[in-house]
Amino acid sequence: DVQLLESGGGLVQPGGSLRLSCAASGFTFSNYAMSWVRQAPGKGLEWVSAISGSGGSTYYADSVKGRFTISRDNSKNTLYVQMNSLRAEDTAVYHCAKEGQWEPRTRYDNWGQGTLVTVSS
Amino acid sequence: QSVLTQPPSASGTPGQRVTISCSGSSSNIGSNTVNWYQQLPGTAPKLLIYSNNQRPSGVPDRFSGSKSGTSASLAISGLQSEDEADYYCAAWDDSLTGRFGGGTKLTVL
Repeated sequence: DVQLLESGGGLVQPGGSLRLSCAASGFTFSNYAMSWVRQAPGKGLEWVSAISGSGGSTYYADSVKGRFTISRDNSKNTLYVQMNSLRAEDTAVYHCAKEGQWEPRTRYDNWGQGTLVTVSS
Repeated sequence: QSVLTQPPSASGTPGQRVTISCSGSSSNIGSNTVNWYQQLPGTAPKLLIYSNNQRPSGVPDRFSGSKSGTSASLAISGLQSEDEADYYCAAWDDSLTGRFGGGTKLTVL
């Protein structure tokens, strides 16, 4: 069975940094694009970032471009997102999601349960 | 405000057929396939429909999807109480970003 387990969330002050990880198992990690999708409390889903299976192509929402960096280590079956210059509006549950193919297309056939990031002083 | 527009709410009685719309533009729905997600309270989203009208294994055939031009629809027939959830459409955009609809809260009366 596919499993996606996020970690690294927590409370951080505005302007601070955090790195989230997503440990994947149950599939050939390098064959699939991966994404981060977040959900602010009581709000809808927001696409954040995606990375191709090889890691050679990365994509970002305008709201995080220049502040967040997505990466992956295919030898460790792990997805990351480095989040810098955090703002209150970044407060959300961050889900990692597995795409159904090599390139990102918002077809997420598996999701992690998410990790909560709270940006507050 | 989401790039893909969904009605914030929908409702129906058990056994009824309900549809949820998703309106986009030529750069997203108009040129890429649409996916639909169901999110039950307190859980992660679940893929319901992919590539406009394909159901993953395990999804009942009561759920169906369609697309025409820059709009898409999710239909649920034979509505059941367990279908009460939030539903989201999603599509890739030619600007190389992912797009979600704002979500539709379905209430089974």
